[in-house]
Amino acid sequence: DAMVIQNPRYQVTQFGKPVTLSCSQTLNHNVMYWYQQKSSQAPKLLFHYYDKDFNNEADTPDNFQSRRPNTSFCFLDIRSPGLGDAAMYLCATSRVLQTEQFFGPGTRLTVL
Amino acid sequence: KNEVEQSPQNLTAQEGEFITINCSYSVGISALHWLQQHPGGGIVSLFMLSSGKKKHGRLIATINIQEKHSSLHITASHPRDSAVYICAVNGAGSYQLTFGKGTKLSVIP
Repeated sequence: DAMVIQNPRYQVTQFGKPVTLSCSQTLNHNVMYWYQQKSSQAPKLLFHYYDKDFNNEADTPDNFQSRRPNTSFCFLDIRSPGLGDAAMYLCATSRVLQTEQFFGPGTRLTVL
Repeated sequence: KNEVEQSPQNLTAQEGEFITINCSYSVGISALHWLQQHPGGGIVSLFMLSSGKKKHGRLIATINIQEKHSSLHITASHPRDSAVYICAVNGAGSYQLTFGKGTKLSVIP
């Protein structure tokens, strides 16, 4: 089945220790998104890629970076995680902008 | 900026009941999405609507563009339907989703 896969499902890191979260898709969609969702809050869009074009939301901290080496994979790098970065990180894809978004299962990040 | 309001915030139903969750928004949109999120889990896209009605299994979603209102119906509810249901909209010409606060549904056997 075509799908969006996120690895790992649970990630524990230490304060200040860089961490990378992974997303892959078999849908061959052009757009990949990264959202941050804190407890009992709505998801917040961090950035998206349209093909190789990177689009950062204005209020996304510099601590968050992303890479998309090919159509299938997209990575979220958190350079120096703080306690406030503990959250669920959701990856989503869509064929083009403003079309249905397909979400992955998420990676729950814990910062110790 | 679009305001997305969902009602009710919390809903408890007996297994087999017909359930309705409502969503209203303040500004014109290009599309409305209904999403499902199980506790501690990722999000599943249920429907994307720009007009009319869609049906998938026991789920039905409707939208009234003039009234800026959408409903999600679940027929013959089941405990496995227990989840948070989220309404989200694309503003006209915008790729960004504006999310409602979600409706937490609990279906009791």
